[in-house]
Amino acid sequence: DVKVTQSSRYLVKRTGEKVFLECVQDMDHENMFWYRQDPGLGLRLIYFSYDVKMKEKGDIPEGYSVSREKKERFSLILESASTNQTSMYLCASSVRGEQFFGPGTRLTVL
Amino acid sequence: RKEVEQDPGPFNVPEGATVAFNCTYSNSASQSFFWYRQDCRKEPKLLMSVYSSGNEDGRFTAQLNRASQYISLLIRDSKLSDSATYLCVVNMNYGGSQGNLIFGKGTKLSVKP
Repeated sequence: DVKVTQSSRYLVKRTGEKVFLECVQDMDHENMFWYRQDPGLGLRLIYFSYDVKMKEKGDIPEGYSVSREKKERFSLILESASTNQTSMYLCASSVRGEQFFGPGTRLTVL
Repeated sequence: RKEVEQDPGPFNVPEGATVAFNCTYSNSASQSFFWYRQDCRKEPKLLMSVYSSGNEDGRFTAQLNRASQYISLLIRDSKLSDSATYLCVVNMNYGGSQGNLIFGKGTKLSVKP
């Protein structure tokens, strides 16, 4: 079974803090994705990556950056957290079009 | 960016009922199609792919109409465990990637005893 893990299920941070969300997949997938999910807005793509050291902006990249130093790991970085970044963050990896999601990190920014 | 649209529901149905969800997509170049299921406070998981000829998996039937840019999911003999949000998903295949998916906002189903 494909396994995608995320470093935290719940996270509480303060405005202005730098936040790292880590995602690891164990199936050697080349494609990895970061989404946020908010009520009424659905899943929105933040960033994605086709390969190591490659990254592409999604629909809502503002306020975020990413890092892909190793194939299995894709990190989402909030340089200076703001309250409007309170959300559920979901990481996914994909093969042949099917995406496999991690359990999500519920981030609260106070 | 092109969209995928679904009726948000909620659909409240009794056990044993048949329920149908519809979805439309706006980009005619879309290549592949899926239904994902998301349980409350859980991550989305693939329910089934949708093929041009239509496909069935037990109580679930998916249909695709490329001419009308329309996808459907039919659930027969609903079970309590079918209660979830169903996401219509389209693969745009742009930028050389096979993995970029466009998600609908989901249709919530609640099956009652």
